[in-house]
Amino acid sequence: NAGVTQTPKFQVLKTGQSMTLQCAQDMNHEYMSWYRQDPGMGLRLIHYSVGAGITDQGEVPNGYNVSRSTTEDFPLRLLSAAPSQTSVYFCATRRQGPGANVLTFGAGSRLTVL
Amino acid sequence: KQEVTQIPAALSVPEGENLVLNCSFTDSAIYNLQWFRQDPGKGLTSLLLIQSSQREQTSGRLNASLDKSSGRSTLYIAASQPGDSATYLCAVNSGSARQLTFGSGTQLTVLP
Repeated sequence: NAGVTQTPKFQVLKTGQSMTLQCAQDMNHEYMSWYRQDPGMGLRLIHYSVGAGITDQGEVPNGYNVSRSTTEDFPLRLLSAAPSQTSVYFCATRRQGPGANVLTFGAGSRLTVL
Repeated sequence: KQEVTQIPAALSVPEGENLVLNCSFTDSAIYNLQWFRQDPGKGLTSLLLIQSSQREQTSGRLNASLDKSSGRSTLYIAASQPGDSATYLCAVNSGSARQLTFGSGTQLTVLP
């Protein structure tokens, strides 16, 4: 039972390069989200999705794109990386609807933009 | 806009001590509050979730309380162990979009 799988774990980019962070889950969770974690700032929501074909912006969406073509996958795209996007990125999922709504996190992807 | 604050940012205690971690939030209209644990270089693990209608939740040596009216939650850890060393984050579920707002965490070190 893999849970939430993020790839890659580490990535170094040059300014202006593009890349995609992958997130896959096998729990059939409707809700998927991307957070970034920066020192002293906690986790901030980038984008989220409540189901296939539905995405929405979080607190800090600029510079990032997402899509949700399947229930299992929620990739995060950086089209033109900037040093300000150096961070640790976490994918998190949960069941949708009323109830406990406990988030399950991936192990994180550490991105450095030079 | 919901804001979540955790004080202190870091805490160091000797093994065996009981301790309390604090979390405060500005908007009391919440759905629930979660406490997470994060080990260095790892993701977050959910410890406890308290619904807005509840006052506390317990799991083993952990007890979380919630006082919505004052915008506060505490995480009580009994008989601390070196294995409890980690960063503890609280997150509040609120707003029309039901999103989580995280505090910046308390880094706990339990000394053997």
